[in-house]
Amino acid sequence: DTAVSQTPKYLVTQMGNDKSIKCEQNLGHDTMYWYKQDSKKFLKIMFSYNNKELIINETVPNRFSPKSPDKAHLNLHINSLELGDSAVYFCASTVGGQDNSPLHFGNGTRLTVT
Amino acid sequence: AQSVTQLGSHVSVSEGALVLLRCNYSSSVPPYLFWYVQYPNQGLQLLLKYTTGATLVKGINGFEAEFKKSETSFHLTKPSAHMSDAAEYFCAVRTGGGNKLTFGTGTQLKVEL
Repeated sequence: DTAVSQTPKYLVTQMGNDKSIKCEQNLGHDTMYWYKQDSKKFLKIMFSYNNKELIINETVPNRFSPKSPDKAHLNLHINSLELGDSAVYFCASTVGGQDNSPLHFGNGTRLTVT
Repeated sequence: AQSVTQLGSHVSVSEGALVLLRCNYSSSVPPYLFWYVQYPNQGLQLLLKYTTGATLVKGINGFEAEFKKSETSFHLTKPSAHMSDAAEYFCAVRTGGGNKLTFGTGTQLKVEL
C-alpha cells in the first residue's frame, strides 16, 4: 500500500491553463506539505497544513492555492500556468509537533508547461 | 534561521570505494538532521536521522552519519559503494518547534566500475 500517493504522475499543459494535483496519505499523519523541485533538483517548501489549517505559506504566487479537505488530503490548484511553473511537485506528510519525525514523500508530479 | 550546506554537487567514486557526502548545518538551537536519497524519477526516501543521543547514526543500505556538534557537520558515509547507490542525496535540518524541513542543494553520487 502506497503511504503518500500523488496524482497525476505527469501533467503536460499549456500556458494559461488551470490544473490541480491531488495528494493523499494513509499514514495517519496530521501535517502535510507541498514542495517544489526545480530543474537543478533544489527542493523548496511551498505550503504546510496541520489538521486542515495552513501553518506554512512561503513566498509563493497567489496563483497557487492549496486545499486540505481533511488531514489525509492536501491538493494543489494552480491558476494561469506559466512556463516557470514547470517542475516536479512533491507532497509529503509527517507527525506534527514532533521534530524528530521524518517527512514521508510521494513520488512526485512532473508538471510541464508549454 | 536553520540551513544546511552540502559541499560538492557531484561526487564520483569507484565501485567498492568509500562514499563520503558532506553536510554542514547552521542552527541556533539543537537541530534534528536527516539524510534522504532520491533515485531517478522517484520521491525522497529517508536514509537516516539524528535526533538526540548517539552521535553515530546507522541507516538503510549500509549508510551511516556522524553528528559532530563542534564542527556543525553531519557527513554521510558508506564503506563500500555499490552501483545501486547512484542517486541524488539530500541533507536536511529541522529545528525544535518548527514544522519546516529545510533541504540542502543535493549531491549527485555517481558510481563507476
